[in-house]
Amino acid sequence: EDQVTQSPEALRLQEGESSSLNCSYTVSGLRGLFWYRQDPGKGPEFLFTLYSAGEEKEKERLKATLTKKESFLHITAPKPEDSATYLCAVRGADSSYKLIFGSGTRLLVRP
Amino acid sequence: DAGVIQSPRHEVTEMGQEVTLRCKPISGHDYLFWYRQTMMRGLELLIYFNNNVPIDDSGMPEDRFSAKMPNASFSTLKIQPSEPRDSAVYFCASSLRPGGANEQFFGPGTRLTVL
Repeated sequence: EDQVTQSPEALRLQEGESSSLNCSYTVSGLRGLFWYRQDPGKGPEFLFTLYSAGEEKEKERLKATLTKKESFLHITAPKPEDSATYLCAVRGADSSYKLIFGSGTRLLVRP
Repeated sequence: DAGVIQSPRHEVTEMGQEVTLRCKPISGHDYLFWYRQTMMRGLELLIYFNNNVPIDDSGMPEDRFSAKMPNASFSTLKIQPSEPRDSAVYFCASSLRPGGANEQFFGPGTRLTVL
């Protein structure tokens, strides 16, 4: 069964304090790993898709990386506006177009 | 582009009542997804459509839930009768195609409270 585990559940950072969020996954035949950002009271917002181990993608202060068992979302010099819940999801070969989501990491960046 | 539109944004109802949630996907998107989000279970896919046809409804919790997509610009998720455990935020999402970038655009959600 496809499974996604995110850690930590919550993370508090000072502005400018870089860190990483982890997404561990078990899937039969990875067809894509996805990162979303969700602000309170809103729907998830797409950030990145990664397809194969070794792939990296960047967007502003965010950088996503992928290995065969996990993905990291690195946040460099975060700002308060980066505060949100970050969700990781996978699509496996057996799951048609379903995305299996992790429970998310709640990030709070204090000024 | 207005994005995915959902209505109502908030719904409070009593146990046993029928609830209908509505979604308008982004124009031109062929795929539409209904999700449910709770603190306990996170974000779960309930059902998705391709070209208005239901493809996978294995996530629909039970017969009390039904979804339709009568045309490319409108979908409904109905719960009848509703129960307190149905309380959650329901999201609709659409995408041009699930493969490739698989970028699903989510609506703002409907927060359902069943008393």
